[in-house]
Amino acid sequence: GAGVSQSPSNKVTEKGKDVELRCDPISGHTALYWYRQRLGQGLEFLIYFQGNSAPDKSGLPSDRFSAERTGESVSTLTIQRTQQEDSAVYLCASSLVGTGGGANVLTFGAGSRLTVL
Amino acid sequence: GQQVMQIPQYQHVQEGEDFTTYCNSSTTLSNIQWYKQRPGGHPVFLIQLVKSGEVKKQKRLTFQFGEAKKNSSLHITATQTTDVGTYFCVLLAAGNKLTFGGGTRVLVKP
Repeated sequence: GAGVSQSPSNKVTEKGKDVELRCDPISGHTALYWYRQRLGQGLEFLIYFQGNSAPDKSGLPSDRFSAERTGESVSTLTIQRTQQEDSAVYLCASSLVGTGGGANVLTFGAGSRLTVL
Repeated sequence: GQQVMQIPQYQHVQEGEDFTTYCNSSTTLSNIQWYKQRPGGHPVFLIQLVKSGEVKKQKRLTFQFGEAKKNSSLHITATQTTDVGTYFCVLLAAGNKLTFGGGTRVLVKP
């Protein structure tokens, strides 16, 4: 697509429920990133995909968080047994990889705002 | 892992004045990027610096990469209300991991 698309844009859930957040990157972008941004804070790295593989999962806060990517395209971030501290905006970004112009430049989606009651 | 410190964390600027925000790393960087996030929005790419001592300008914004490639700065002249937002520097770490600094939140007083 023309840009990075994220859904849902807003999600309100009850503590203990599972949520799935979806990201559709720009077509042809092999790299995909998930970040978490709490209100008034900076961007916290969660996970990075190169193709369908995640070489770096070090940012996932706990084993309640998981992510996958299929077809070198869509990615889903799953949070199980949500807690109130999971409330944040979850931002997805994609980029080309390499040394050419535009490589490693992140294009962000509008984010998914998660509120855990 | 590689970390970057941005200062100041907050910047209150009178409209029309200049200001500078800084990004400092303890390790040598291959390159550095800058992004801007407007209130309620998502980060948008501004520029990438690659060469030692590189200086790039975008209208009233001047970006500089230090000679040792361990620091970078963003200088904005004649600040306008449209400059409000948070400015992030971003490192490209090993394995293509793009790490954001803490950001400088800019407020403009009219």
